[in-house]
Amino acid sequence: DGGITQSPKYLFRKEGQNVTLSCEQNLNHDAMYWYRQDPGQGLRLIYYSQIVNDFQKGDIAEGYSVSREKKESFPLTVTSAQKNPTAFYLCASKTVGDTEAFFGQGTRLTVV
Amino acid sequence: AQKITQTQPGMFVQEKEAVTLDCTYDTSDPSYGLFWYKQPSSGEMIFLIYQGSYDQQNATEGRYSLNFQKARKSANLVISASQLGDSAMYFCAMREGTQGGSEKLVFGKGTKLTVNP
Repeated sequence: DGGITQSPKYLFRKEGQNVTLSCEQNLNHDAMYWYRQDPGQGLRLIYYSQIVNDFQKGDIAEGYSVSREKKESFPLTVTSAQKNPTAFYLCASKTVGDTEAFFGQGTRLTVV
Repeated sequence: AQKITQTQPGMFVQEKEAVTLDCTYDTSDPSYGLFWYKQPSSGEMIFLIYQGSYDQQNATEGRYSLNFQKARKSANLVISASQLGDSAMYFCAMREGTQGGSEKLVFGKGTKLTVNP
């Protein structure tokens, strides 16, 4: 089945540690995205990538880093520089142009 | 400045009635796309409907229609004959940039819809 997979579903991190969230898609999509969602809030764009080896900062990139070494994969690292990392993280992908974005099931990150 | 504005944090509607969820957007690009997504309490994002900036007619998908008023920069979602299962968060989003160019996709803060029996 084609789709977009995020792992893990739940993640706990100690303060001061870096953590990497996985996002893999087998839809052959060029564009991939990372969003952060806080309780009762909308989705805020962290980073997005339109092609391999290229990515752009979104509205809240500080404290996060990404890579796009393969078309299928777009991992997000939450660094210790991110002061308030507890949130729900959603990954999405789409083809170029006016098409819908497909979302993963999300990763809920909690800092303990 | 906010690119997508959803002014209704919460909306209530009676089952079987129609409801309109508001969305205004801000862009100077002549080519853009507008999307609506539904997010149930489970957290998944479900695509509902899409409208391109050059589309002459309003988009419709089953019980969903998009009231696109380009001059007003609004893209309201109309849900007809509401069902209990429509209770969820609804997000308006915009793909900004020339088609084939930027693929930046930004979302509004959402509207929580509650359908009452």
